Amino acid sequence: KNEVEQSPQNLTAQEGEFITINCSYSVGISALHWLQQHPGGGIVSLFMLSSGKKKHGRLIATINIQEKHSSLHITASHPRDSAVYICAVNSNSGYALNFGKGTSLLVTP
Amino acid sequence: DSGVTQTPKHLITATGQRVTLRCSPRSGDLSVYWYQQSLDQGLQFLIQYYNGEERAKGNILERFSAQQFPDLHSELNLSSLELGDSALYFCASSVYGTGAHEQYFGPGTRLTVT
Repeated sequence: KNEVEQSPQNLTAQEGEFITINCSYSVGISALHWLQQHPGGGIVSLFMLSSGKKKHGRLIATINIQEKHSSLHITASHPRDSAVYICAVNSNSGYALNFGKGTSLLVTP
Repeated sequence: DSGVTQTPKHLITATGQRVTLRCSPRSGDLSVYWYQQSLDQGLQFLIQYYNGEERAKGNILERFSAQQFPDLHSELNLSSLELGDSALYFCASSVYGTGAHEQYFGPGTRLTVT
């Protein structure tokens, strides 16, 4: 079983909808990352969290350390948000990232 | 643009061959990570170098090796290539070698083994 689980695996939304992607992990972590991968393949770091909540534009990321759970929210979704969103963690024992399988998001006009 | 560069962008080679992938980190970053992304396994950590020294190892095969040079660029060497080695290979860089820090990803090298 993967240490990092994401849901849903695939998500289709209409433009303007509020979107939530969930991530659960089973190990102790020092930080959790949300990454975005566009169809061209490039990976962009969206957030790094160790507690609480962060906001950047229409994106909001939250983490609950006690429940080992994080959510990524996209408000007023747009077709340009279509991408794969990947949750990754730095475990307490390691420096590198341990990744979830990703959530493929398609936002239609 | 993350500031991390990788070459080549695409590589097509035959089974049994050897290839070298190159990564230049962001200016000022001392740590380089290599990751492999395949369709069945997703993203997996291979190896990390910090300021020229190997810092951590992940699921890296014995046929694969890496190094980081004094100018901090890194190379990932893949030898005796098999069809299953076809994947996207990313490098990422960060300032520090320990703890949790934001990592900046390069555009990746797409390797196809035929």
